[in-house]
Formats: sequence, structure tokens, C-alpha cells
Amino acid sequence: DAKTTQPTSMDCAEGRAANLPCNHSTISGNEYVYWYRQIHSQGPQYIIHGLKNNETNEMASLIITEDRKSSTLILPHATLRDTAVYYCIVRVAFGNEKLTFGTGTRLTIIP
Amino acid sequence: EAQVTQNPRYLITVTGKKLTVTCSQNMNHEYMSWYRQDPGLGLRQIYYSMNVEVTDKGDVPEGYKVSRKEKRNFPLILESPSPNQTSLYFCASSLGRGRSYEQYFGPGTRLTVT
Repeated sequence: DAKTTQPTSMDCAEGRAANLPCNHSTISGNEYVYWYRQIHSQGPQYIIHGLKNNETNEMASLIITEDRKSSTLILPHATLRDTAVYYCIVRVAFGNEKLTFGTGTRLTIIP
Repeated sequence: EAQVTQNPRYLITVTGKKLTVTCSQNMNHEYMSWYRQDPGLGLRQIYYSMNVEVTDKGDVPEGYKVSRKEKRNFPLILESPSPNQTSLYFCASSLGRGRSYEQYFGPGTRLTVT
């Protein structure tokens, strides 16, 4: 599975859009980009995934560059409950669905 | 409500005393997995199961056993726990076979071995 690089921490004002970047320059053609988050020490929570097109769901948007070497997770209107560690993961969709979590980005929403 | 449950949520035990952490899901998922989370090391996979009676080692299987006798349950067994198994453990499940991109995680079991 391809490795990912994320900033260690970010702050965002409540109500503003939070943009979390992720670099995955060694991604393969059949690997997807997944985003999960972990609030305090709770179980990780799935947010969104994508292959090469931009994706949007009720939680967030995912923007993947044309060369697929990086992506950005966007939380459109951040709330205090979005304070968490966000993980960008790249892997194939089949087989062992192991999720390899790196250190992630600690996002703090400021009131 | 779709969920993954783990029991116990917290456990303090002594070296060598066998223990089992249970994991159960109510979503008819084929794929289940166990992870441990340690500071600075992220989540590491211990074992996984692609279906009933099909289990395989993850990245850190030493000192652990699992079984998958029925689809909903995937217990994690520590035959002789040691202090280096003190960790936060998570069970996860998904439909499997690439049919779903979302994995559901349990609430975690914090284990301390003294």
C-alpha cells in the first residue's frame, strides 16, 4: 500500500471550511484514497473515499488531483465536534482490507 | 442500529492469566479484523478474517489467537498476556470482497497487563 504524508496538526475556526491535505505520490492505479477520523480514543470513523474523481457525501468532500498524487479532505462548515485526528489511507479495495493508519492530522476547531 | 460491540471495554489483568476480548457485529459482515493502537505507532493489524472459518495473520499476530466460528463473532484470545500487550484494541468489520469501502469500528478495549 502506498504511503501517505499529512501535516501533524491544523487549526480551523468554527463555521469555516477545514481543508486537510494528504500527499500520496506513490499511489498505484488500483489504489483508493480513504479518509477516517478518530475522536479522542474512540473507534475510528469512516468519512469518505475516492479513486480519481472528486467525491462528496453528507460529511465531507474529497478532492483528488488529476495525477492522483495528492488529495484534500474538506469539511465545509467545521463544528467543535469535528475536532479529531484525521487519517488519509491509500490501499486497494479487495483482499485483506487492512487499514494502515499513520500519525494523521490533529485538527482542532477553535470556537 | 448497525454496530460493532466489544467487551470488556476496560480490563486490568496480570501476566499469564488467559483472557478473551469479544467482538460482535450485527451487520452480517464477512470481513472482520483486530487492531491494536499504541502511542506513536498508529493502528496495527493483529489478525483478520475474510469469512467464517477463514482467518489470517496481520502485522503483529504474536501472542494472540482468534477464531471465527460464526459470522457475527470474532473473539481475540490472549493465552498468556504480557505487559507489552498493554494497549488499546479495536475490532472492525465490513461487507468484504470489495463490496463496501467503509469499515465499522468497535468502541475499543483498553487492556492493561501488569
